[in-house]
Amino acid sequence: GENVEQHPSTLSVQEGDSAVIKCTYSDSASNYFPWYKQELGKGPQLIIDIRSNVGEKKDQRIAVTLNKTAKHFSLHITETQPEDSAVYFCAATGNQFYFGTGTSLTVIP
Amino acid sequence: SAVISQKPSRDICQRGTSLTIQCQVDSQVTMMFWYRQQPGQSLTLIATANQGSEATYESGFVIDKFPISRPNLTFSTLTVSNMSPEDSSIYLCSVDLGALDTQYFGPGTRLTVL
Repeated sequence: GENVEQHPSTLSVQEGDSAVIKCTYSDSASNYFPWYKQELGKGPQLIIDIRSNVGEKKDQRIAVTLNKTAKHFSLHITETQPEDSAVYFCAATGNQFYFGTGTSLTVIP
Repeated sequence: SAVISQKPSRDICQRGTSLTIQCQVDSQVTMMFWYRQQPGQSLTLIATANQGSEATYESGFVIDKFPISRPNLTFSTLTVSNMSPEDSSIYLCSVDLGALDTQYFGPGTRLTVL
């Protein structure tokens, strides 16, 4: 099956700086790559996604890039704010979702 | 998106007992999923529950331990049977709205087994 690796496991940034989280996947058949944000005590919330026919997608301060050849995709958060502090999960999907191991992001005011 | 609710939101249970978790969606969906998230860990798929058919379980999960019901297109239950402390986790349901494969998650049920 698919294997999704996510790095780093923890990330601390100063408010206003950018944060980048990277994921790699193993199955070239995977074609959908969502990112979820999970705040303490809550379920994962979809924040952005990208399909295999697109290289980059942006939504305000959040962007995702996909390199199909290298089988990796990344989440970019610009102008970070304290409310961005959460655990972020990437996922790769073919016939089911395979989640990365999560990145705990802390934005320091 | 979809509005998904789960009951209970949390519970503390004794070893050997069973707990049934409910998942309610505000729209009709074909596919519902149940996940387990152990403390500080990622999400692991337990089973896929389609209305009108038996749930499909992932490797390592069995129906006797995690029976699932899917009586209609807006509701599902997951039972954690004969619980042990190792079952202490967050249990999450999710739905696929049928468009573009996106899954939306409920708030989770935080289970502690003593």
